Amino acid sequence: GQNIDQPTEMTATEGAIVQINCTYQTSGFNGLFWYQQHAGEAPTFLSYNVLDGLEEKGRFSSFLSRSKGYSYLLLKELQMKDSASYLCAPMDSNYQLIWGAGTKLIIKP
Amino acid sequence: GAVVSQHPSWVICKSGTSVKIECRSLDFQATTMFWYRQFPKQSLMLMATSNEGSKATYEQGVEKDKFLINHASLTLSTLTVTSAHPEDSSFYICSARATGTSGSSHGNQETQYFGPGTRLLVL
Repeated sequence: GQNIDQPTEMTATEGAIVQINCTYQTSGFNGLFWYQQHAGEAPTFLSYNVLDGLEEKGRFSSFLSRSKGYSYLLLKELQMKDSASYLCAPMDSNYQLIWGAGTKLIIKP
Repeated sequence: GAVVSQHPSWVICKSGTSVKIECRSLDFQATTMFWYRQFPKQSLMLMATSNEGSKATYEQGVEKDKFLINHASLTLSTLTVTSAHPEDSSFYICSARATGTSGSSHGNQETQYFGPGTRLLVL
């Protein structure tokens, strides 16, 4: 079957760095997306990885290891507005996104 | 770029009535649009995939006669919840997948961009 494993919840301090890990199993693979979803809102696109390695985009970076079925999202210089759920969504062979429940990130002052 | 709008943002209706939700890609053409439903503290659930000019593909367990989807143009898809019941109350979110070069600065042509969602409450 297809599944995604992410921590349910994480807590970090404003100004710090946090890494949100994601392991996945899919039928085929066509890249992996990270989305941010604030409470009560729709997801917004953060990053896309299709090759192994690190993609950096401002304070956010995303890493992929296809052989390990593993990705992480790294958030630096955390701000209070980063409090949200972070969704790891791999794309299967049919170009369908597979969604888990995401990781709820709580930022404390 | 890659903006998707949804209308209405929230709606309250009586049981038995029908509700139409519109999803528009504002600055790009979307061959494919997706309709999701999300219950509180749960993951996104794909309801159906809509391709412009053809019938939607529904996920298992989603009644196509209850959730009517029309994708009449490359920028508009609609979801109609027919004979709504209280259990249909949920957060409905559409997404659009950019075609061509639109949105390439953000991701790739497979990136789904989400509308702001529609909250439906059926009394």
